[in-house]
Amino acid sequence: EAQVTQNPRYLITVTGKKLTVTCSQNMNHEYMSWYRQDPGLGLRQIYYSMNVEVTDKGDVPEGYKVSRKEKRNFPLILESPSPNQTSLYFCASSTGHLYEQYFGPGTRLTVT
Amino acid sequence: QKEVEQNSGPLSVPEGAIASLNCTYSDRGSQSFFWYRQYSGKSPELIMFIYSNGDKEDGRFTAQLNKASQYVSLLIRDSQPSDSATYLCAVNPRDTGRRALTFGSGTRLQVQP
Repeated sequence: EAQVTQNPRYLITVTGKKLTVTCSQNMNHEYMSWYRQDPGLGLRQIYYSMNVEVTDKGDVPEGYKVSRKEKRNFPLILESPSPNQTSLYFCASSTGHLYEQYFGPGTRLTVT
Repeated sequence: QKEVEQNSGPLSVPEGAIASLNCTYSDRGSQSFFWYRQYSGKSPELIMFIYSNGDKEDGRFTAQLNKASQYVSLLIRDSQPSDSATYLCAVNPRDTGRRALTFGSGTRLQVQP
């Protein structure tokens, strides 16, 4: 089954404690992206990757890091989480055609 | 001004009625337009996309695009309670190279049985 998986699905952590949210896709997609979703603000892109070892900033990259060492994986790293990073996070992948963008199930992060 | 604007709702319609969801966008160079449905606590799923002015129909759904007015709409005919969800309008702005969509904040639709 074609899918994008994210782990963990729910995470409660404290300010400053480094965390990683994993994202993996089994569709051999070149393009992957991270979004955060906040009430009233919609989905906003954090980082994206056009292919292995190629990443770039989206609209709201501050406080986040990513890496793309393998085509299937695109982890999101919060080196020092802060409460304003409390949000719902989605990973997405695509062949490059936007109408084929597949979203993962989401990770709800709470930073206290 | 937000790049993609939607009324947050809720838009409440009776079962069997037509639901009309609207979206305006600010970038006149935008090239393609998408409607996603998102159930509470779930990820967005694509239901329609449209590139050209006019109407595009798919089953009970019709997307309408008017680039001159910078306006996109989604009509849902014969609305069902299962259509109750938040509908996100998304726009692909003029080519920035990063293939990102700009999303509106969504309209919540409630279909009353």
